Formats: sequence, C-alpha cells, structure tokens
Amino acid sequence: EAGVAQSPRYKIIEKRQSVAFWCNPISGHATLYWYQQILGQGPKLLIQFQNNGVVDDSQLPKDRFSAERLKGVDSTLKIQPAKLEDSAVYLCASSYPWGYNSPLHFGNGTRLTVT
Amino acid sequence: AQKVTQAQTEISVVEKEDVTLDCVYETRDTTYYLFWYKQPPSGELVFLIRRNSFDEQNEISGRYSWNFQKSTSSFNFTITASQVVDSAVYFCALRRTGGGNKLTFGTGTQLKVEL
Repeated sequence: EAGVAQSPRYKIIEKRQSVAFWCNPISGHATLYWYQQILGQGPKLLIQFQNNGVVDDSQLPKDRFSAERLKGVDSTLKIQPAKLEDSAVYLCASSYPWGYNSPLHFGNGTRLTVT
Repeated sequence: AQKVTQAQTEISVVEKEDVTLDCVYETRDTTYYLFWYKQPPSGELVFLIRRNSFDEQNEISGRYSWNFQKSTSSFNFTITASQVVDSAVYFCALRRTGGGNKLTFGTGTQLKVEL
C-alpha cells in the first residue's frame, strides 16, 4: 500500500510571499488532515476534510491560510502572505472515515522556512 | 478541554537498556482513545498503538509494551532492550469519541539510543 505523498519536502520563502503544499492521500481514505508542527511541539490540526467537505477548520488562520480538496482526493494547502511564525513542518494525514475509528497515516511532511 | 502532557523532553539511554516514556492526559470525556506515534528523523509519524478508554489491559508487541492506567490518567510506553533504530521522537495523542478523529498531541519525547 502506497503511503501518503507530500511535496515539496522543503521550501524556503521570504515573509509576505505565498507558498502551496500538495498532498495525495492513501487510496480509499476519505478523510484528509493538514497538521502544523512547530519545532519542539506536537502536531496541531489545521483542517480536516471528509471527501471534499470541511469537517473542522477551527484552528486554521483563515486570513492567510486556505486549503481545498477538489474531487475528494488530492489536497492543497496555501499560505498567503507568509509570516515568520509560519515556519514549521506541514504534515498531511489520511484515514478511513472517522466513524471507522481508523488510525491516521501521515506523510513525510513539508518543512517550511520563512525568512 | 483536552490536554496531553509528556514531561520528558529528552531521554538518552545506552543500547539494550529498557526505557519508559511517560504520558499523562486530561479529558472530561468518559470515552476516548489514546495513541502513540513514532517520528523518526525522516519526519513521518508512524502509528504504533491505539487504546480505547474501556480497555485497560496492558499490551505487548515485541519489545514494545504499553501500560494504561485510567485511575492516574496515564498511558506509558516501555521499550525493552532498546536499539539504536528506536531513536526518534515519540508522541502520545488523545482523541475524543465522536470528535471527528481529531488528535490532540503531546509535545513529544526525544529518545536517543547510543551504542
């Protein structure tokens, strides 16, 4: 079974620039998550999709972050404009629908550095 | 509110030593799930175990064992005869039943196993 794919692996941008991350979940996983992991901290959920609908985006800074999951498969997370405090690893995860109580499977993440 | 505390920021052991990683959680829910994930240097979070709040039986999987004590709100993880490949950051996480599969992570414990 292929895992969760993310790209790019690393990205360095200047503050106020924009950036986008891409995620392809495990085939058959209807639920997709984006987590932000700041150095030395545990991952924090930014947004959760069930198919192409948003289930939870309560911790997404909507003034600068946006995410979409067209067709209920791949997803893109965008930051515009970036701030220094956005430097973190952005992890994508997927699972079967939460009603199935399945564990989350994570990708390798995208390490973002904002200078 | 839910909270997961991993008081040990970093642990260093010599190979073949046993090591226990502590996890204490807070929740008002009567039904919940607890998880352990491993994050090696590659960055991917690897699922290790899931335990529901009704099952307090300890579990052993090879060199790994987990001790769940509801009375003390703890879910500790022990590695027996540690190996260099066990070096990673380990995260404990909590999920509410019906909470949309949202995980609340602790801050992680960095385990270093040296020869």
